[in-house]
Amino acid sequence: QSALTQPASVSGSPGQSITISCTGTNNDIGTYRYVSWYQQYPGKAPKLMIYDVSIRPSGVSNRFSGSKSGNTASLTISGLQAEDEADYYCSSYTSTTSLDVFGTGTKVTVL
Amino acid sequence: QLQLQESGPGLVKPSETLSLTCDVSGASISDSSYYWGWVRQPPGKGLEWLGGVYYTGSTYYKPSLKSRVTISVDTSRDQFSLKLYSVTATDTAMYYCARHARTRLGGAIPKFDYWGQGILVTVSS
Repeated sequence: QSALTQPASVSGSPGQSITISCTGTNNDIGTYRYVSWYQQYPGKAPKLMIYDVSIRPSGVSNRFSGSKSGNTASLTISGLQAEDEADYYCSSYTSTTSLDVFGTGTKVTVL
Repeated sequence: QLQLQESGPGLVKPSETLSLTCDVSGASISDSSYYWGWVRQPPGKGLEWLGGVYYTGSTYYKPSLKSRVTISVDTSRDQFSLKLYSVTATDTAMYYCARHARTRLGGAIPKFDYWGQGILVTVSS
């Protein structure tokens, strides 16, 4: 089972901004800055989009940004584009040994 | 450019052992900054971290699978492997190998920066 909770779906029109939430606990997001976000297209491997809460790897568009407050992390996609339609997963370091570190996943739809 | 490539049978019979290998190229598997892990994704479902290995051979596993899984590393070949024993239909999934970070104290950080393309393994008779 997932330790982190995400909304099942989020949608927006081209050009709009959307935010995906990722809710954890004091054992993970609330304590550590090791929060990552992944983008996954159907049939493809996940791609790292954000790490350490808000850092973008080289080559990732600056339309993607991350933040956290308390036990909740967020991924914001600004200037939504058709190519952003994908599944998004969060993950966080946890002080537990469960390895249940991924979020439940959010399907982003561009209307 | 670092690349990972999974290989192994795509069909395994129930109660048998699932065996996969991940070949690492473009970088050394002996880089002390990283772990090498396995993540699976059942069809239509989310990601599940199974465990991983350090180049020294030190391993960590998901507790709920610990009795059925072995992950090992072969630094001479720059590859690491997954064995999952006594499989059932619920083990049917896309299996990915991936590199991820570690803390200075050896904690496994789920920052997976490089992934293999994945291999679909179906458990069926």
